[in-house]
Amino acid sequence: DQQVKQNSPSLSVQEGRISILNCDYTNSMFDYFLWYKKYPAEGPTFLISISSIKDKNEDGRFTVFLNKSAKHLSLHIVPSQPGDSAVYFCAASVGGDDKIIFGKGTRLHILP
Amino acid sequence: EAGVTQFPSHSVIEKGQTVTLRCDPISGHDNLYWYRRVMGKEIKFLLHFVKESKQDESGMPNNRFLAERTGGTYSTLKVQPAELEDSGVYFCASSQFTGANSPLHFGNGTRLTVT
Repeated sequence: DQQVKQNSPSLSVQEGRISILNCDYTNSMFDYFLWYKKYPAEGPTFLISISSIKDKNEDGRFTVFLNKSAKHLSLHIVPSQPGDSAVYFCAASVGGDDKIIFGKGTRLHILP
Repeated sequence: EAGVTQFPSHSVIEKGQTVTLRCDPISGHDNLYWYRRVMGKEIKFLLHFVKESKQDESGMPNNRFLAERTGGTYSTLKVQPAELEDSGVYFCASSQFTGANSPLHFGNGTRLTVT
């Protein structure tokens, strides 16, 4: 049973516009959430994270929003750039547990 | 600093054969993890070493998989005998500390194809 769900396998966004990637989770014990970005033939790289005590964390063009009541988080990329084309994985963990649970990923295409 | 390196990058073997994957973590990282991604699915946790000790191996699929980290440096993951469903990309990751404030650094993975 998937605990971290990314229901959109792919997303296409015009360059310069906002990209919004969504993620839902089922385990209410999760208290730390992460986004990883993956290019083809490479491993995932850490992008941004958020603790459950916050509802927003921002780092440059990337912002993660957390809605605990809805068990939902989203990653906003503004403005979207060609280099943002990649697969984005949502991930979560419990109490600093090192077993990070990943979603299936969403492939983001930035269109010129 | 050098990143996490994995060898080989690709491996094609027949069902019933043995394959050994190797991971060299970032120097100084005591924590080493193995993950696996079967095509189109989520990246699944296999196990976690702290130095040479297995901290958590709850994700290992079955006893055909054996992971070692002798000396607490590099790690190997052996699959013996390999089955068709073992095909996928095996990622190794390392971190300096445990817990939420120490994101994982992943290698580029080993793509294993069992025919």
